[in-house]
Amino acid sequence: NAGVTQTPKFQVLKTGQSMTLQCAQDMNHNSMYWYRQDPGMGLRLIYYSASEGTTDKGEVPNGYNVSRLNKREFSLRLESAAPSQTSVYFCASSAGTDTQYFGPGTRLTVL
Amino acid sequence: GNSVTQMEGPVTLSEEAFLTINCTYTATGYPSLFWYVQYPGEGLQLLLKATKADDKGSNKGFEATYRKETTSFHLEKGSVQVSDSAVYFCALSPYNTDKLIFGTGTRLQVFP
Repeated sequence: NAGVTQTPKFQVLKTGQSMTLQCAQDMNHNSMYWYRQDPGMGLRLIYYSASEGTTDKGEVPNGYNVSRLNKREFSLRLESAAPSQTSVYFCASSAGTDTQYFGPGTRLTVL
Repeated sequence: GNSVTQMEGPVTLSEEAFLTINCTYTATGYPSLFWYVQYPGEGLQLLLKATKADDKGSNKGFEATYRKETTSFHLEKGSVQVSDSAVYFCALSPYNTDKLIFGTGTRLQVFP
């Protein structure tokens, strides 16, 4: 039972570099989400996808792009990383009901 | 708008003590309410949930009751263990959506 998987677990970037965070789920869920977690701020929604082929902005989308590659995979791209994007990133999925299932997270540091 | 407010931590307790972590919410309509737990170095796991007023969610000795009159969903456990040390997040999902709005989290530290 893999559930929601994320790669990489850790990443260090220099300002201006780009990278893509990968997320996959094996629960046949329609909805997928990307959050960032910062100290004292809880989790904030970056983007979400209600179904394959659709994506929508969340609370903090600036500086990010997403791709819902297929039903299983939902990637998050930073085109030009900034120190303000240093955070822990979580991917989640749900069946379209209210319970979300989270991956283990990616810890990103931008120098 | 929709929001969740939970008590700041850390909450520090001795093993077998009683735990309460307060959570209040603001929402239109009838949201679903959740407690998620995050153990060190891991992602969030659903601890319990309640979908309508007066429902009680419970799991692993934790429980919380959906109180519409006080817009609250306080987390309680009668006797905490060292293994309960984690960060606890209260969250709501607005009616008829699958989005989650989180509180800022409360760190619980339990000492032997």
